[in-house]
Amino acid sequence: AQSVTQPDIHITVSEGASLELRCNYSYGATPYLFWYVQSPGQGLQLLLKYFSGDTLVQGIKGFEAEFKRSQSSFNLRKPSVHWSDAAEYFCAVDPSNYQLIWGAGTKLIIKP
Amino acid sequence: DTEVTQTPKHLVMGMTNKKSLKCEQHMGHRAMYWYKQKAKKPPELMFVYSYEKLSINESVPSRFSPECPNSSLLNLHLHALQPEDSALYLCASSRTTLDPAKGYTFGSGTRLTVV
Repeated sequence: AQSVTQPDIHITVSEGASLELRCNYSYGATPYLFWYVQSPGQGLQLLLKYFSGDTLVQGIKGFEAEFKRSQSSFNLRKPSVHWSDAAEYFCAVDPSNYQLIWGAGTKLIIKP
Repeated sequence: DTEVTQTPKHLVMGMTNKKSLKCEQHMGHRAMYWYKQKAKKPPELMFVYSYEKLSINESVPSRFSPECPNSSLLNLHLHALQPEDSALYLCASSRTTLDPAKGYTFGSGTRLTVV
């Protein structure tokens, strides 16, 4: 069965430090991959997406993600986090063209 | 206009009330979605509309009734809800349901509390 795993429920990072959020998926072919961010009480904002081509994808707000087929991973990175990056981050896979399969989410906490 | 607008932002309703949630987009998207999100959980798909026709109903109870009056509007009619229906209701849209390069644009949601 298709699934998405975000192994870290919470991650705490100091402001200005680098960030990597992990995402692994289980799917037979290369799916369409997404990272979304959700600030408290808000909707979901698309950070970036991958569906083909260059495996390093640039997104908004200084985020990037790297697709690694051999590891079935699509990890999200940012070189220097800001306090405003504190939010819930969801990785999602779209294998069927209408139904997103979501990871459980990772809550990012920023230490001053 | 690259937004999905949802109204109201907050709604408190009794179990015998009838209310409606509204979602609007002017991006020319022909697929629209309703999701339900409980606290600390990812969104759960409820309904999918494609070209104003209901294409997916993920076994949602009949107390939730979707409607797509035109290509820009999506409503969710609520009747006889239960306290466990309290959640954030998110609307989303995409170019179509069959476009592999699509991204979904989400609204900010309606925070629903059933008392």
